[in-house]
Amino acid sequence: AQKITQTQPGMFVQEKEAVTLDCTYDTSDPSYGLFWYKQPSSGEMIFLIYQGSYDQQNATEGRYSLNFQKARKSANLVISASQLGDSAMYFCAISGSARQLTFGSGTQLTVLP
Amino acid sequence: SAVISQKPSRDICQRGTSLTIQCQVDSQVTMMFWYRQQPGQSLTLIATANQGSEATYESGFVIDKFPISRPNLTFSTLTVSNMSPEDSSIYLCSVANGTALGSGANVLTFGAGSRLTVL
Repeated sequence: AQKITQTQPGMFVQEKEAVTLDCTYDTSDPSYGLFWYKQPSSGEMIFLIYQGSYDQQNATEGRYSLNFQKARKSANLVISASQLGDSAMYFCAISGSARQLTFGSGTQLTVLP
Repeated sequence: SAVISQKPSRDICQRGTSLTIQCQVDSQVTMMFWYRQQPGQSLTLIATANQGSEATYESGFVIDKFPISRPNLTFSTLTVSNMSPEDSSIYLCSVANGTALGSGANVLTFGAGSRLTVL
């Protein structure tokens, strides 16, 4: 079984500042992937970034980076230079041998002007 | 990446009725999933829609309540049967995109969702 824990129901960040959204996971699969999705108020799910369990380097995609600490089973999302459009719900998810995603409870990020 | 069309985008339904949600993909995909997102909650996997065979349901979801069809590699339907207010949710279709990533995982692309309100 796989599990994702997001302990921050809500976060606030000032525009142009960086913010870290926490994610810890548990899995029995030796090989797995970690994902972050963004869900704006419109409801669509937008893929942001992926980290494979065997990847040596932390993933980066533009302003998004994933701080992967395998020993701690954490996969925190770092958003640099926050923008007002970053205000949304952010979900961490894990994929294992079964290929489907298991999602965490999400973090509502609000960017303040 | 695949483009997913889901309909209806929203509906208001009466208790005891059933509603079928359609998911059309613009390319053939092997893996297709149905998720539910209850109000203010995260996404929960209902089932994996298998082409040519019965869907694989997750714990807590049964075929009688959520029958799924997958007649080909580009289309699937999810029916929410005998609805109650507790079924008010967003239902999302998703497909695995293209090439597997390093760990064998696939990025999932999601449809825009079908927001159901049951009165």
